[in-house]
Amino acid sequence: GAGVSQSPRYKVAKRGQDVALRCDPISGHVSLFWYQQALGQGPEFLTYFQNEAQLDKSGLPSDRFFAERPEGSVSTLKIQRTQQEDSAVYLCASSWPTQGSLNEKLFFGSGTQLSVL
Amino acid sequence: RKEVEQDPGPFNVPEGATVAFNCTYSNSASQSFFWYRQDCRKEPKLLMSVYSSGNEDGRFTAQLNRASQYISLLIRDSKLSDSATYLCVVKGRQTDKLIFGTGTRLQVFP
Repeated sequence: GAGVSQSPRYKVAKRGQDVALRCDPISGHVSLFWYQQALGQGPEFLTYFQNEAQLDKSGLPSDRFFAERPEGSVSTLKIQRTQQEDSAVYLCASSWPTQGSLNEKLFFGSGTQLSVL
Repeated sequence: RKEVEQDPGPFNVPEGATVAFNCTYSNSASQSFFWYRQDCRKEPKLLMSVYSSGNEDGRFTAQLNRASQYISLLIRDSKLSDSATYLCVVKGRQTDKLIFGTGTRLQVFP
């Protein structure tokens, strides 16, 4: 596709429900990132993949959060037993890393706005 | 203390004004620096990279001061279309993850 695609665009969940958020990166992009953005805040890093390998998951807030990218393209962020504090916009971004270059541009999707009631 | 800190603003300036934003970062090993722009309810987009020698892109000038660990963005001749949130972004030496600041909101009025 032309850009990073995320679905659903909006998700309303009842507290305790499990949710799955999908990200389709730009074709050929090796790196994929998940960020969480609360209202009025900057994006907070959650996790990062290079192809299918999850290289950094230090930002996942709890063991209720799980991400995968089994074939090195589409990624899914799963949140189990959602809590109200999980309400945020979840942004996915992809990039083609160019080693030694300062032009490390992330292409973001439009995000999934999650509301937990 | 957050790894990247910015004044959240808002900065309210008239069209044609010059406005400057600063950002400080705490990790002295940080390697790469960027400014991203985020419009209301939209995704962030890269505005410009920040080079050690300073760099300019049209009306936008970015500066890096490694000794003081701060980054600046100067916008000259502000346009209404510059109204957005400007995110300061830092990348470490041994990592690919980008760390974002809270963002500084700019509102340009006629």
